[in-house]
Amino acid sequence: SQELEQSPQSLIVQEGKNLTINCTSSKTLYGLYWYKQKYGEGLIFLMMLQKGGEEKSHEKITAKLDEKKQQSSLHITASQPSHAGIYLCGADGKTSYDKVIFGPGTSLSVIP
Amino acid sequence: NAGVMQNPRHLVRRRGQEARLRCSPMKGHSHVYWYRQLPEEGLKFMVYLQKENIIDESGMPKERFSAEFPKEGPSILRIQQVVRGDSAAYFCASSPNAGSLRYEQYFGPGTRLTVT
Repeated sequence: SQELEQSPQSLIVQEGKNLTINCTSSKTLYGLYWYKQKYGEGLIFLMMLQKGGEEKSHEKITAKLDEKKQQSSLHITASQPSHAGIYLCGADGKTSYDKVIFGPGTSLSVIP
Repeated sequence: NAGVMQNPRHLVRRRGQEARLRCSPMKGHSHVYWYRQLPEEGLKFMVYLQKENIIDESGMPKERFSAEFPKEGPSILRIQQVVRGDSAAYFCASSPNAGSLRYEQYFGPGTRLTVT
């Protein structure tokens, strides 16, 4: 079965600094999702990547999927306290309605 | 368009009681997924349902847990004879019927179950 690893496990950055979170899969990624979870709340969808080499951006967050489709990175530029939370990468299977397998998450704290 | 709704948001049950968690998917969504997030653990898939059908229940414990998504009404996750180890956040997600297109799942706020 597919397993996802995330690094780092946790991250503390000063406001205004850039940061990168990585997600690595043991198998080919067909659909790769990034979600953000605030403590005690549900998941907020950030981005979905499907094609090798694909890159998407939303505001100050950029996500990339490598050409081999086994690794994704999430990059935040000029971090703000509002970026704090747990970032989860998730992957589903070949079919479009497969369950999503999630990574363990990366906890991000941004110090003002 | 309201998002995925779950209720109750918090549920306290004594050991041996039954817990019923409800999920109303987003309007127009016919696919419902249940996930469980145990303390200090990641988010784990439990079951995937379409209207009146269980499609994939590979993540459901074999005993005490059941799920349904009736023709009318919300999806229900039922846990019978709850034990302390069932204490967790249970999330429901839904996605639209988009044929072969891949679509992200939209998550509800979760139900936090505490078993005393």
